[in-house]
Amino acid sequence: GDSVTQMEGPVTLSEEAFLTINCTYTATGYPSLFWYVQYPGEGLQLLLKATKADDKGSNKGFEATYRKETTSFHLEKGSVQVSDSAVYFCALSPDDMRFGAGTRLTVKP
Amino acid sequence: DAGITQSPRHKVTETGTPVTLRCHQTENHRYMYWYRQDPGHGLRLIHYSYGVKDTDKGEVSDGYSVSRSKTEDFLLTLESATSSQTSVYFCATTGTGLGPDTQYFGPGTRLTVL
Repeated sequence: GDSVTQMEGPVTLSEEAFLTINCTYTATGYPSLFWYVQYPGEGLQLLLKATKADDKGSNKGFEATYRKETTSFHLEKGSVQVSDSAVYFCALSPDDMRFGAGTRLTVKP
Repeated sequence: DAGITQSPRHKVTETGTPVTLRCHQTENHRYMYWYRQDPGHGLRLIHYSYGVKDTDKGEVSDGYSVSRSKTEDFLLTLESATSSQTSVYFCATTGTGLGPDTQYFGPGTRLTVL
C-alpha cells in the first residue's frame, strides 16, 4: 500500500544551521504530500503541503517540493531556531492519511 | 485552534481490563479519527467516523472498537487491554469539504497497560 519513509533521527543542529529531513514515498496514484510538526506535549499540526508534482509547499521558513521523478518530498529550512525543536512527520494522503515514523529535531543555541 | 479535548490525558491500567478513551470536539466537524503513536511507526489509524453512528476500520483496528452517538463525541474502547496497546492515542477531526489533510489533532492520551 501507499507509504512514506523518512530519515531516522534524532537530528541535532546548532542555531542558524541548514536543515534537511529526507522523505520518500511509495504510491500507486497521485497522493497529496504533507509535513506535520509535533511540539513537546502537543498533537500534530500541519506545517505545509503539496498536492501535485512540482508544487512547493512553504510555511514558517520551511519548504518542501513534490518531486515525482524521485518520489521525494524533503523538508528544508535555511536557518533553524531553537523554537524549531520538535518531531517532524512526513505524510501522504490518497484517501486516509499515512504518516512516516517521525524525525526528532533538536536545535541548540 | 479547533476545540478538541481528550480524556483522560494519562491512564495506567492492568492487562485484561476495559478502557475507554474519549474525544470531544466543539467544531461540529463531521469526520473524526483515532490514531496511535508508537516509536518508529509514526501515527497509525485505528478507526474513523464519517458521521453519527457511521464508523470504519483503519490500519490497526484489531482489539479496538469505537462509537459515535453524537457529532461531538468519539469514543475508543479497548475491551480487554494488552501490553501491546501501551501507546499515545490521538484524536483528530476534519470538516466536510476540508479534506483529510486539514485534520486538527487533540493533545493526546498516554495509556500504559501493565
